Amino acid sequence: KQEVTQIPAALSVPEGENLVLNCSFTDSAIYNLQWFRQDPGKGLTSLLLIQSSQREQTSGRLNASLDKSSGRSTLYIAASQPGDSATYLCAVIGGGNKLTFGTGTQLKVEL
Amino acid sequence: GAVVSQHPSWVICKSGTSVKIECRSLDFQATTMFWYRQFPKQSLMLMATSNEGSKATYEQGVEKDKFLINHASLTLSTLTVTSAHPEDSSFYICSASPATGRNQPQHFGDGTRLSIL
Repeated sequence: KQEVTQIPAALSVPEGENLVLNCSFTDSAIYNLQWFRQDPGKGLTSLLLIQSSQREQTSGRLNASLDKSSGRSTLYIAASQPGDSATYLCAVIGGGNKLTFGTGTQLKVEL
Repeated sequence: GAVVSQHPSWVICKSGTSVKIECRSLDFQATTMFWYRQFPKQSLMLMATSNEGSKATYEQGVEKDKFLINHASLTLSTLTVTSAHPEDSSFYICSASPATGRNQPQHFGDGTRLSIL
């Protein structure tokens, strides 16, 4: 059974800092990995999708990497802003297009 | 971009009531939609896969008679929580992908917060 873990569970940083969120998964037989953002009481916003054949994807200040063989992915956020405060979830996509979600990292960017 | 609409966004009802939640893909067709449940401070757990024109596939431990899923068209899936009890109180979220194939990102609705008194 696939298990997805995210470290740290919570993170508080001052505005402007660069930061890295970590995601690890136990079964490397995945198709894709997707990073999401969830604001309190809200649904999910897709940030980046990395296909299993890719090593990284970039969108604006966000960069996600994938090392499928070691079962790891990182989400790098450059020049963090208070508006980046949210819970970040990674999810691995396996057979049947099913997503298995990680435990999440709650990020707070302070002024 | 692809938009998934979920309705209602918030439901409060008495124990024993059945509650229906709708998930619609507004600008694309989805042969498959997914239903998730999220308890406070926990991650999303897949409940079932909704397949257009056929029976839903439920994850282990999810009661199919408790959580009825109907996917009658390519743009609509419904989840009915039958005879809801306080332990069913949770945040329910659906997702859909614009096309089949594993390289399509999942798009999520805004979720439905269900509170059973």
